[in-house]
Amino acid sequence: NAGVTQTPKFRILKIGQSMTLQCAQDMNHNYMYWYRQDPGMGLKLIYYSVGAGITDKGEVPNGYNVSRSTTEDFPLRLELAAPSQTSVYFCASSFTGRAFFGQGTRLTVV
Amino acid sequence: KQEVTQIPAALSVPEGENLVLNCSFTDSAIYNLQWFRQDPGKGLTSLLLIQSSQREQTSGRLNASLDKSSGRSTLYIAASQPGDSATYLCAVRDAGGTSYGKLTFGQGTILTVHP
Repeated sequence: NAGVTQTPKFRILKIGQSMTLQCAQDMNHNYMYWYRQDPGMGLKLIYYSVGAGITDKGEVPNGYNVSRSTTEDFPLRLELAAPSQTSVYFCASSFTGRAFFGQGTRLTVV
Repeated sequence: KQEVTQIPAALSVPEGENLVLNCSFTDSAIYNLQWFRQDPGKGLTSLLLIQSSQREQTSGRLNASLDKSSGRSTLYIAASQPGDSATYLCAVRDAGGTSYGKLTFGQGTILTVHP
């Protein structure tokens, strides 16, 4: 049972480059979330989805985009990477109960 | 907009003490509340989940309570151990309105238990 899988685990981007952070869950959860966590801080919600085809903005959506074409996958797209997007990114999923988190992607923009 | 606050921001206690971590939220229309643990450089591990209709949940030395009407939850840790040292985060899932399904976190409490 894989749970929530995030790829890649680490990435270094140059300013202005783009990339997609992948998130997949195998628990048939309808809720999925993307968060960023800066050093010493809590988690800030970027985007979330309550089901396939439905997405909504969180607290800090600027500079990011998402799509949810299937129940299993919820990729996060960074366009024109900026140093302010250096952070650890976590994906999570849930149904009616507990939220399960991936192990995170550590992204550095230089 | 749901806002979640955790007090204290940091706590240092000697081994064996009982301790209480606090979480408050501004919108009482919640579906559930969760407490998580995060070790340095790691992901989040769910500790306890309280549904909105419940008052408390227990797991081993951990007990979490929920007072939805006052917008408060507490996490009680009995007989603390050095292995309990971590950051503890609470999160609420909104139940209705335009933020249905949204999961909002507090800033966390950094707990250090010294031998």
